[in-house]
Amino acid sequence: AQSVTQLGSHVSVSEGALVLLRCNYSSSVPPYLFWYVQYPNQGLQLLLKYTSAATLVKGINGFEAEFKKSETSFHLTKPSAHMSDAAEYFCAVSDRSTGKLIFGQGTTLQVKP
Amino acid sequence: GAGVSQSPSNKVTEKGKDVELRCDPISGHTALYWYRQRLGQGLEFLIYFQGNSAPDKSGLPSDRFSAERTGESVSTLTIQRTQQEDSAVYLCASSSAGGEVYNEQFFGPGTRLTVL
Repeated sequence: AQSVTQLGSHVSVSEGALVLLRCNYSSSVPPYLFWYVQYPNQGLQLLLKYTSAATLVKGINGFEAEFKKSETSFHLTKPSAHMSDAAEYFCAVSDRSTGKLIFGQGTTLQVKP
Repeated sequence: GAGVSQSPSNKVTEKGKDVELRCDPISGHTALYWYRQRLGQGLEFLIYFQGNSAPDKSGLPSDRFSAERTGESVSTLTIQRTQQEDSAVYLCASSSAGGEVYNEQFFGPGTRLTVL
């Protein structure tokens, strides 16, 4: 069975600081991995995805993530946080037969001025 | 073009009542998914439709939950005899295909269900 673990339910950074949100996965097959963002009172939006091409994936709003098979990780980073990045972030792995997403518990990112 | 829409946006009901939640996927999307997001928890998969058949219903929590889909169009999630633990945001997503080939899932805004 596939699963995703997000380390840290709440992360707080200062504006301009590095953002690092951690995600580890478990999968018996090469995974498809995703990061979604959910702004307050809005739906989920895809930030970026890994589908077995380049291991460093760039997404929207300056975010990127690196797939590390040896560490079974797919951590999300952004060099400089902006106030507008405050949101909840979900890491997910896709079931290869149905496409259904298996989500982590989510990480709330707070950005302090 | 239009995204995934869901109705109602909010639903408050009394314990024991039945509720119906509706999802209108993006036109042409054959795959449709329902998820549930309970307060303070991640998203849980409920059911997957490919066209109007549901090859994966493994996430439905009990037989009080059912869903149907008309062709490659609207889907309805029905919860019978609602319980307080059913309170959650119910999210619908659609994609141009399910299965092996990855296609991005586009999410609707969700229906917030509150069971009193």
